[in-house]
Amino acid sequence: QSALTQPRSVSGSPGQSVTISCTGTRSDLGSYDYVSWYQHHPGKAPKLMIYDVSQRPSGVPGRFSGSKSGNTASLTISGLQAEDEADYYCCSYAGSYTLVVFGGGTKLTVL
Amino acid sequence: QVQLQASGPGLVKPSETLSLTCTVSGGSISSYFWSWIRQPPGKGLEWIGYIYYSGSTNYNPSLKSRVTISVDTSKNQFSLKLSSVTAADTAVYYCARGPAVPTIDYWGLGTLVTVSS
Repeated sequence: QSALTQPRSVSGSPGQSVTISCTGTRSDLGSYDYVSWYQHHPGKAPKLMIYDVSQRPSGVPGRFSGSKSGNTASLTISGLQAEDEADYYCCSYAGSYTLVVFGGGTKLTVL
Repeated sequence: QVQLQASGPGLVKPSETLSLTCTVSGGSISSYFWSWIRQPPGKGLEWIGYIYYSGSTNYNPSLKSRVTISVDTSKNQFSLKLSSVTAADTAVYYCARGPAVPTIDYWGLGTLVTVSS
């Protein structure tokens, strides 16, 4: 069982928007603004999409955005494209003892 | 472009030590945090630990008693040793780089390690 909770799957049609949630606790996600999101196409290296809750690395399309409220972070993908179909993982700093926790992953299907 | 490549045995016997090396190319290992992360079959990602280029380390508390991560700056490599392995340690192991914990900006492709007799 992963420390952060994500929905197992979400889906949307091309052009639509989807939001993936990531729920933690006051000990991790709720206490720090160090949440990152990774896109993983099977057989490839995971890719950083969002860091520090809402920052986008260079090269990541503006269609990807991140936010956080309380113990829940969210990744929103607008204008869905076929190549967005992948697994998405959230990750959070969890303090000086546990340090890093991941979510269980969400499979995004573009219909 | 920074690239990371993990290498090591794909099959390890129970109770033995799993050893992997990550070779970094396209950039220096001096600076940044260097992590190991794993993904058991059908499950999510699990952070194993990281080493800073200076040698300071931090490990997942659940694995701490069995994990050692080291760095060799002269070879641009860092390594993972996980002792007393069981079938539960079967996973794809990723090596990765991050500018700050827990952000990871470059991942290797991952290497499958199976624990079986």
